[in-house]
Amino acid sequence: DQQVKQNSPSLSVQEGRISILNCDYTNSMFDYFLWYKKYPAEGPTFLISISSIKDKNEDGRFTVFLNKSAKHLSLHIVPSQPGDSAVYFCAARPPYNNNDMRFGAGTRLTVKP
Amino acid sequence: DTAVSQTPKYLVTQMGNDKSIKCEQNLGHDTMYWYKQDSKKFLKIMFSYNNKELIINETVPNRFSPKSPDKAHLNLHINSLELGDSAVYFCASSRSGGNEQFFGPGTRLTVL
Repeated sequence: DQQVKQNSPSLSVQEGRISILNCDYTNSMFDYFLWYKKYPAEGPTFLISISSIKDKNEDGRFTVFLNKSAKHLSLHIVPSQPGDSAVYFCAARPPYNNNDMRFGAGTRLTVKP
Repeated sequence: DTAVSQTPKYLVTQMGNDKSIKCEQNLGHDTMYWYKQDSKKFLKIMFSYNNKELIINETVPNRFSPKSPDKAHLNLHINSLELGDSAVYFCASSRSGGNEQFFGPGTRLTVL
C-alpha cells in the first residue's frame, strides 16, 4: 500500500523556467512532509519540509505547497538550474511515529541548458 | 568527512549466501535506519534503531537482521539470500524525534 505517490516518473524543463513536482498521499494522519533530492550513486539529501499546520514553506528557489484537503503537495523550483537535475522524493510522516517515514517513488527532473 | 557511510558500495553474491552491509554515522545521532529501494524505485523502511532498541520492523523476512554494536553503527545481516533481495539498500540516521534523516550513499546488492 503506497501511501505516498508521485505519479510523474520524469519531468523535463528549460533552464530558468519553473519546475513543479507533485506528490499525493492517502493517509490523512500524516502531519509532516519532506522533499529529498538524490543524485546518481548518492543517498537522498534533505531539501525542504513543511508541517501540516502550514500551507507554504519557502527556502530560496524552493517552495513547497501543501493542500491538506486534496492530500496533495508540490515542490516549485524557480528558476530551475541544470544542477537541479536529480531525482526528487516526496516523503510523509505520521505524528504517532517520528521514525516512520513513507517515501514516494521519485520524479526524475532534467533541467536543460 | 562522510556523515553516513556504508560498505560495501556494491555487493554481488550467489543465492543462499549470507552477507552483511555495514553502516556508520558520525553525526552523533541516536536513531538509525535501513531502507530498501526496490525495482520500482520506492524507498521502503525496513528497520530503525533508537538506543539499541528496535522501533520499526515492517514486513521484512526474518532472514534480515539489524545489528547495532553501538549508537554510531547499524549493520544489516542477510541470511540465505534470494533473487528478490536484489536492490539498493540505504542506511540513514537522525536525532531522536528529529524531522530530517541523513542518508548514506547506498549499497547495490545483486543476487545471482
